[in-house]
Amino acid sequence: GNSVTQMEGPVTLSEEAFLTINCTYTATGYPSLFWYVQYPGEGLQLLLKATKADDKGSNKGFEATYRKETTSFHLEKGSVQVSDSAVYFCALSLKTSYDKVIFGPGTSLSVIP
Amino acid sequence: NAGVTQTPKFQVLKTGQSMTLQCAQDMNHNSMYWYRQDPGMGLRLIYYSASEGTTDKGEVPNGYNVSRLNKREFSLRLESAAPSQTSVYFCASNQGRGYTFGSGTRLTVV
Repeated sequence: GNSVTQMEGPVTLSEEAFLTINCTYTATGYPSLFWYVQYPGEGLQLLLKATKADDKGSNKGFEATYRKETTSFHLEKGSVQVSDSAVYFCALSLKTSYDKVIFGPGTSLSVIP
Repeated sequence: NAGVTQTPKFQVLKTGQSMTLQCAQDMNHNSMYWYRQDPGMGLRLIYYSASEGTTDKGEVPNGYNVSRLNKREFSLRLESAAPSQTSVYFCASNQGRGYTFGSGTRLTVV
């Protein structure tokens, strides 16, 4: 079946540290891949996306590359800030009768000063 | 600001009571969705509407009904609330470029 796996959290980093959150997927066909971010008390927001193999999505210093050969879409940021503390969800989208999106379980990130 | 608006933001119900969660989007999106978010369970799809006039069950539809009133509005109804329906509910809409989510309704059933 179709699924998304993310590294378990919580992840705690010091400010200015390098961030990697691993995401791998299983899907039939050629999905689009997304990272969403959820700040405390809010809904999810689209952070970045990639629609085909080798595409790199980027936004707010975050980036992720669609790796078809390893079925991965790892999220990276070179220098995290306290304001990046949130839950990050990896997701894939399949074109069926509707835009079916499958979310990973989420990874909680805390950045300490 | 364009987006998805959910009401109410918070609600406490007694077991057996009914209520409707409202959702409206102003982006002219065809597809709309209702999810619930529970600790350790991630996001689970309750119902979706691929276009105006159509609705379909998602992963966890039992105990819920939906109405796609028009292109803008997609409501979720709990006919007889149960403690297992205590959750945070999110509405979302999509036009093929990624979801736009509402800010959520935190529902407690006592």
